[in-house]
Amino acid sequence: EDQVTQSPEALRLQEGESSSLNCSYTVSGLRGLFWYRQDPGKGPEFLFTLYSAGEEKEKERLKATLTKKESFLHITAPKPEDSATYLCAVQLTGFQKLVFGTGTRLLVSP
Amino acid sequence: DTGVSQDPRHKITKRGQNVTFRCDPISEHNRLYWYRQTLGQGPEFLTYFQNEAQLEKSRLLSDRFSAERPKGSFSTLEIQRTEQGDSAMYLCASSLVGLRHNNEQFFGPGTRLTVL
Repeated sequence: EDQVTQSPEALRLQEGESSSLNCSYTVSGLRGLFWYRQDPGKGPEFLFTLYSAGEEKEKERLKATLTKKESFLHITAPKPEDSATYLCAVQLTGFQKLVFGTGTRLLVSP
Repeated sequence: DTGVSQDPRHKITKRGQNVTFRCDPISEHNRLYWYRQTLGQGPEFLTYFQNEAQLEKSRLLSDRFSAERPKGSFSTLEIQRTEQGDSAMYLCASSLVGLRHNNEQFFGPGTRLTVL
């Protein structure tokens, strides 16, 4: 069965304390892996798409990487405004739907 | 604003009533998706359209749920005979098909449904 697991469920960081979020997946065929940010009461905001193992993408303090079994979202020197839930999703070969994990709730304290 | 819009943003209804939500995708996006999200969970896929054709439906989409995209632009999602278990955030997303690297789905703000 296709599955996406995110860890940790919640993460509390001090401002400037770098860390990584994990997204592991077990799927029959991966078309793409997506990262979204979601603030409370709002829709997910697109961050990155990764298509093949070894691919990396960066945006400001965020960097996403992909292997054959998992993806990492690295947050460098986070700020309080980075506090949000980060969602990982996979798109399977031959399908358009996204299969989401349950997310990592990140809280960055000043 | 040229993003995905949804209306209403909040809906409170009594069990057994029918509700309808609207989604306006990003202009020129030919794919439109509906997802449902409950507290503490990631969004779950319901259905998607390419232009006006409904191409994929989840088993979550029971007979009480129906979605349309009559002219290939906006879409509506109707829930008949609502149940308390239907309480959730209903999210709409759109994407533009054509290039391999254009699979990104952009989400709207969602419609929060509360069934009393």
